[in-house]
Amino acid sequence: DQQVKQNSPSLSVQEGRISILNCDYTNSMFDYFLWYKKYPAEGPTFLISISSIKDKNEDGRFTVFLNKSAKHLSLHIVPSQPGDSAVYFCAASAGGDSGSARQLTFGSGTQLTVLP
Amino acid sequence: KAGVTQTPRYLIKTRGQQVTLSCSPISGHRSVSWYQQTPGQGLQFLFEYFSETQRNKGNFPGRFSGRQFSNSRSEMNVSTLELGDSALYLCASSSGTALNIQYFGAGTRLSVL
Repeated sequence: DQQVKQNSPSLSVQEGRISILNCDYTNSMFDYFLWYKKYPAEGPTFLISISSIKDKNEDGRFTVFLNKSAKHLSLHIVPSQPGDSAVYFCAASAGGDSGSARQLTFGSGTQLTVLP
Repeated sequence: KAGVTQTPRYLIKTRGQQVTLSCSPISGHRSVSWYQQTPGQGLQFLFEYFSETQRNKGNFPGRFSGRQFSNSRSEMNVSTLELGDSALYLCASSSGTALNIQYFGAGTRLSVL
C-alpha cells in the first residue's frame, strides 16, 4: 500500500511559468514533509520542508503548501527555469517515538521538464 | 563542509556473491540511513543507524544488514546476491533529531549478473 503518492509521472512547463507538483498521503501519522529533486546519476537533493503545524513554507522560488484535511501537499516553483528539470520526490515522516521519526517514505516521483 | 560520500560508485557482482557498500556522513551527523532505489519500487527505506545502533528497519530480508562505526561511517552488506538486488543504493545522513533533514550521497549503482 503506497502511503505517499505522486500521481503525475511527468509534467512539462514553459520557462518562466509556474510548475505545480502534487503529492497525496494516506497515513495520518505523517507530520513532516519534504521535497527532494534528483538529477540522473546523483542522489536526491533537499529542496524544502514543512511541518504539519504550518500550511505554507516559502524559500525563494519554491513554496510548499500543506492541506492536512485533504492529506495533500504541493510544491510550486515560480518562475520555472530549464535547470529545474529533474525528478521531484515528496517524502513524509511520522513523529512519535525516537525510532519512527527517522524513516522517510517517498512518493514515486514526478519528472519535471521546463521547456526554454 | 563535505557532503555525504559513498563508495564505490559502481559495482558489478554475480548471483550468490556478497557485497559491502560504504557511506561517510556529513561531519557532525550521527544518523545514517540507507535506501534502495529501483525503477519498479521507487525509493525504499532499508535501515537507520544512530550512534552505532540500528534504530529503525524497513521491510527487507535478513540478507541486508548494516553497521555503523564510532566515527559515524556506515557500511551496508548484502549477502547471497540475487538479480533483483540490482539497484541504486543511497545513503543519507542527518543530525538524527526529530525534524531532521536527510542529505543524500550520490549512491552506489549495484548490478547483479
